[in-house]
Amino acid sequence: SQTIHQWPATLVQPVGSPLSLECTVEGTSNPNLYWYRQAAGRGLQLLFYSVGIGQISSEVPQNLSASRPQDRQFILSSKKLLLSDSGFYLCALGQSGETQYFGPGTRLLVL
Amino acid sequence: KQEVTQIPAALSVPEGENLVLNCSFTDSAIYNLQWFRQDPGKGLTSLLLIQSSQREQTSGRLNASLDKSSGRSTLYIAASQPGDSATYLCAVLRGGQKLVFGQGTRLTINP
Repeated sequence: SQTIHQWPATLVQPVGSPLSLECTVEGTSNPNLYWYRQAAGRGLQLLFYSVGIGQISSEVPQNLSASRPQDRQFILSSKKLLLSDSGFYLCALGQSGETQYFGPGTRLLVL
Repeated sequence: KQEVTQIPAALSVPEGENLVLNCSFTDSAIYNLQWFRQDPGKGLTSLLLIQSSQREQTSGRLNASLDKSSGRSTLYIAASQPGDSATYLCAVLRGGQKLVFGQGTRLTINP
């Protein structure tokens, strides 16, 4: 069965510091991978998705970037965090036409 | 641009009642519609997926319907239990394997 790991589970970072969130998946190959953000009072927003190694599509202009160095690894990064980057970050995987499976999430608080 | 709306934003009912959660979407050109459950501070769990060619799906006490022409879906929960308390999210899959989420309905079942 498919498993999604995210770490860290919780992170508190000062404004202007860098960020690296990692997502790894097991039990599948060549999945589509997604990064979502859930901010307080707002719905889930798709940030990035990837259909393969090195292939990244950005959904909204923002302070973040994503990379997929391996088939089962998806990384979300920032060079300088903003207060508005605070939120709950979810990694998901999916195959064409099927449901998406979500990881446990990383809660990020930027102070 | 696809928009997904969920009404009500919050719902509180006594245990044992049957209830209906509503979801509407603006663009009927969807591949499927999914209902998810999210417990506080956790990731999303897929409940039901309805393909665009289907009218409904059932899983245990849950039944989801889809009316693409009117842009509506409902999630029916029978004989509600305190363990059903969670936020329920509706999402439609559009081109590029991208999910568009509603804001969710926060459900509380009172013992």
